[in-house]
Amino acid sequence: EPEVTQTPSHQVTQMGQEVILRCVPISNHLYFYWYRQILGQKVEFLVSFYNNEISEKSEIFDDQFSVERPDGSNFTLKIRSTKLEDSAMYFCASSEVAEGNTIYFGEGSWLTVV
Amino acid sequence: KNEVEQSPQNLTAQEGEFITINCSYSVGISALHWLQQHPGGGIVSLFMLSSGKKKHGRLIATINIQEKHSSLHITASHPRDSAVYICAVYNTDKLIFGTGTRLQVFP
Repeated sequence: EPEVTQTPSHQVTQMGQEVILRCVPISNHLYFYWYRQILGQKVEFLVSFYNNEISEKSEIFDDQFSVERPDGSNFTLKIRSTKLEDSAMYFCASSEVAEGNTIYFGEGSWLTVV
Repeated sequence: KNEVEQSPQNLTAQEGEFITINCSYSVGISALHWLQQHPGGGIVSLFMLSSGKKKHGRLIATINIQEKHSSLHITASHPRDSAVYICAVYNTDKLIFGTGTRLQVFP
């Protein structure tokens, strides 16, 4: 079964540092997403990405966040200057089409900001 | 008010019991997803519904678009079904998640 892979699985970083979370979506998928889940809370949408540009983003996705698809396979989430409240599990997801299609999630990247 | 509400929040069952988890939503959707999250955190898609009913093994999912309501049923529950079950609706290029239902099935 094809899968979405994420690295790192866990990262601890100092407040104010830049973090890059990496994702390799399923190869024939066209829609990519980042979600996050703060410990004990529900999963929240951050950003969706299609055709090399952001198609939708949430209020959480402010100027400190950016996404990139630097080559044909990787999809990255960058947090420029991390804050304590950025500590969360970050999930990458991908789907073949936007609607009416199964969305596949990666195993997540635990980010701890200290 | 949450756009996606699930009930119950927590559910305990004995092995073999029939389980129902409910989901109501208040926004327009193009599809509804039922997801499973295990203690390690990974999320697995169980169903994607836009109408009617789907069945996969012991799992059945139904949706009523007019009433904006969906249910997930587990027949003959087993301890390995213990997980958090999440309802999420697809709305303008994103999933909106419910808070999840924590299910524990005891032998």
